[in-house]
Amino acid sequence: GAGVSQSPRYKVAKRGQDVALRCDPISGHVSLFWYQQALGQGPEFLTYFQNEAQLDKSGLPSDRFFAERPEGSVSTLKIQRTQQEDSAVYLCASSEGAVDNEQFFGPGTRLTVL
Amino acid sequence: AQTVTQSQPEMSVQEAETVTLSCTYDTSESDYYLFWYKQPPSRQMILVIRQEAYKQQNATENRFSVNFQKAAKSFSLKISDSQLGDAAMYFCAFWGNYQLIWGAGTKLIIKP
Repeated sequence: GAGVSQSPRYKVAKRGQDVALRCDPISGHVSLFWYQQALGQGPEFLTYFQNEAQLDKSGLPSDRFFAERPEGSVSTLKIQRTQQEDSAVYLCASSEGAVDNEQFFGPGTRLTVL
Repeated sequence: AQTVTQSQPEMSVQEAETVTLSCTYDTSESDYYLFWYKQPPSRQMILVIRQEAYKQQNATENRFSVNFQKAAKSFSLKISDSQLGDAAMYFCAFWGNYQLIWGAGTKLIIKP
């Protein structure tokens, strides 16, 4: 596709449910990033992939958060046993090269945990 | 640790006038990149302009320009001839160690 896509755009979960958020990066982009953006705040880094390798997961807030990119293209961010504080917009971004730093963002997934 | 500070939660400007958004950052690195991103109400983050720290010349993109003061660790965004479509959240971001560190954002309101 022409840009980064994310699905679903909106997700409502009951506390304790597991959710999976999908990111389709721009075709051929090596690097993929996940960010969490709370309401009224700037994004915060969660994790970074170079191809299928997860090079940095230092931003994942707890072991309930897990991300994968098994074939080096599509990525999934999974949140287990969701809690209300997980409510946020989850942004995915991709960039062309391994060290290229211009990132292209998807529209985000707004997660609401009730 | 790197930090990015945007001290203006909200700014307003009359259409066709000029506005400057402030950003300061803290880092011990000498080589890095700085960005301004725009996030309209649709929430898709769009790159406005970027600056390589090793370049002394300020970046310019049409009506958007930056004032990069490396010694002062300041990176402000100037928007000339403001248009209604410029209304959005503007985020300043610092690139280092494969991470983008973001400021809290400035909401820009354009008055017709």
